[in-house]
Amino acid sequence: EAGVTQFPSHSVIEKGQTVTLRCDPISGHDNLYWYRRVMGKEIKFLLHFVKESKQDESGMPNNRFLAERTGGTYSTLKVQPAELEDSGVYFCASSQFGVPGNTIYFGEGSWLTVV
Amino acid sequence: DAKTTQPPSMDCAEGRAANLPCNHSTISGNEYVYWYRQIHSQGPQYIIHGLKNNETNEMASLIITEDRKSSTLILPHATLRDTAVYYCIAPVDQAGTALIFGKGTTLSVSS
Repeated sequence: EAGVTQFPSHSVIEKGQTVTLRCDPISGHDNLYWYRRVMGKEIKFLLHFVKESKQDESGMPNNRFLAERTGGTYSTLKVQPAELEDSGVYFCASSQFGVPGNTIYFGEGSWLTVV
Repeated sequence: DAKTTQPPSMDCAEGRAANLPCNHSTISGNEYVYWYRQIHSQGPQYIIHGLKNNETNEMASLIITEDRKSSTLILPHATLRDTAVYYCIAPVDQAGTALIFGKGTTLSVSS
């Protein structure tokens, strides 16, 4: 069974440009999460989808970040316009919904470098 | 914010057991304790989780105190590849709320 997959694995863009990160969760997982880790900092929660609905977006840093999950399958995270401080690694994770004590599985991350 | 307390770093000799402690004093009733690790900058890897009883899988054992205020992750025979940052995450309720990561414990396994 395929795990959580993320694309692209690495991206280098200039300040002011737009980048879109994609996450494909494990099949059947209605919970989808985005996290990021900037250099030297802890892994920070960004937001949580249940199917196509945003359950919790309290971690989104500002309105330059837009996450979508149309159809409740894959999700995209768009950064527009990108700033230098957005550099870091963005992780996606997924899990089954409504299962007590379920496991949340992470992807390998999308590295973003803004220059 | 993370609601767990872990030592910032630990060392372990290869082949020996690594015992990583975690305090989660605010945990209650139906809230789980999860352990993940991150090797270099790879995606966090699930290790184990528990509610009340001790748990064991092919990777590790999880010992939870009777009052559930603390737990210990045990890697029975640490190898160099177990060098990583280990995160104890609690409390996690049953509703699938997001995991909140703290600073974790950096485990260094040496030969």
